Amino acid sequence: GPKVLQIPSHQIIDMGQMVTLNCDPVSNHLYFYWYKQILGQQMEFLVNFYNGKVMEKSKLFKDQFSVERPDGSYFTLKIQPTALEDSAVYFCASSWEGDNTEVFFGKGTRLTVV
Amino acid sequence: QQQVRQSPQSLTVWEGGTTVLTCSYEDSTFNYFPWYQQFPGEGPALLISILSVSDKKEDGRFTTFFNKREKKLSLHIIDSQPGDSATYFCAASASSGSWQLIFGSGTQLTVMP
Repeated sequence: GPKVLQIPSHQIIDMGQMVTLNCDPVSNHLYFYWYKQILGQQMEFLVNFYNGKVMEKSKLFKDQFSVERPDGSYFTLKIQPTALEDSAVYFCASSWEGDNTEVFFGKGTRLTVV
Repeated sequence: QQQVRQSPQSLTVWEGGTTVLTCSYEDSTFNYFPWYQQFPGEGPALLISILSVSDKKEDGRFTTFFNKREKKLSLHIIDSQPGDSATYFCAASASSGSWQLIFGSGTQLTVMP
């Protein structure tokens, strides 16, 4: 089936440094998402992105977070600066439509901030 | 309030048995309820979904039931197989301009051979 690819699978970074998580969504999808999952807890919505713009973000999407998808390249989540509480697995997802439609998830990037 | 509660947290069943997972929610604007299956090291994958206009949807061994009045949904797996061992998440969303999925906390299912 359709695949969402996430690079890297693991990332260890010093607190205060910048990190960029990369996502290659399903090729014809128009809606892109980031979710955060702390170990043993439920997945929580961070942000969705459509037509080059952030459409919706949660309170977890702090000012230090940003997303973009320059034409033909990855959909990225950038955290600058990172904090210890940013340690989690970040899942990228994409869908063809916004409402009531299958959302495809990547395998996640495990981010560890030390 | 946007919250989805899921139970049980973990469940062990014997091969061939029936698995029942349940979720409840509070936000009456939710109208789309997918169930996701996640294996270790993988991302969640859509298993089955239901819209609030329906009360039942079946796909092979998997059936999801929806009770709008009680704001509850459930996932039934008949003839459970060891390969069904995974974490299952229910989720909900509202088609009101919000595309975010609100996830339950997950049920870790183990099917013993």
